[in-house]
Amino acid sequence: QSVLTQPPSVSAAPGQKVTISCSGSSSNIGNNYVSWYQHLPGTAPKLLIYDNNKRPSGIPDRFSGSKSGTSATLGITGLQTGDEADYYCGTWDSSLTTVVFGGGTKLTVL
Amino acid sequence: QVQLQESGPGLVKPSETLSLTCTVSGGSISSYYWSWIRQPPGKGLEWIGYIYYSGSANYNPSLKSRVTMSVDTSKNQFSLKLSSVTAADTAVYFCARQRYSGSYYFDYWGQGTLVTVSS
Repeated sequence: QSVLTQPPSVSAAPGQKVTISCSGSSSNIGNNYVSWYQHLPGTAPKLLIYDNNKRPSGIPDRFSGSKSGTSATLGITGLQTGDEADYYCGTWDSSLTTVVFGGGTKLTVL
Repeated sequence: QVQLQESGPGLVKPSETLSLTCTVSGGSISSYYWSWIRQPPGKGLEWIGYIYYSGSANYNPSLKSRVTMSVDTSKNQFSLKLSSVTAADTAVYFCARQRYSGSYYFDYWGQGTLVTVSS
């Protein structure tokens, strides 16, 4: 059971927009910045978003992040088949004194 | 471009010690934090801990009693040892560079290595 809660799966058509939610508590998301990762099994996970809404160099602006209270959201616009992957949110938990992650969301581009 | 590569045995017997090494290329190991993260089959990610290039470390409290991390700056490598392993430690183990800006995040990862605990 992951500390952060994500939907197991989401799907949308190519070209459409999808959002992935990440729910936590005041000890993690509520008082710390959130990061998001894209992972294709067998490859190295890729950082998409850090500090809630900042994109590393090379990440297209189709990817966006936001946070409100104890929840965070990853948005992906202009979906491409290459976006099919597992997506994870992560942050620091001040009570557990550890980095915590969501259980992951599998994105299917129909 | 920083690249990380995990190496070590893919099979470890129960009660023995799991040992992995991460080799960093394309950049220096100095001045950064370096982490280990694992993913059991069909489950989410679990942070194991980090080590600073100077050798100071911080471990996940749930694993602290069994974890030791070390760093070798001359080889641009850092390592993980996990003692008294059980089947529950079977997972893909990732190494990653850890950053801090308001909270911790991981900007470069290895592709991971599967470690199976079985007799």
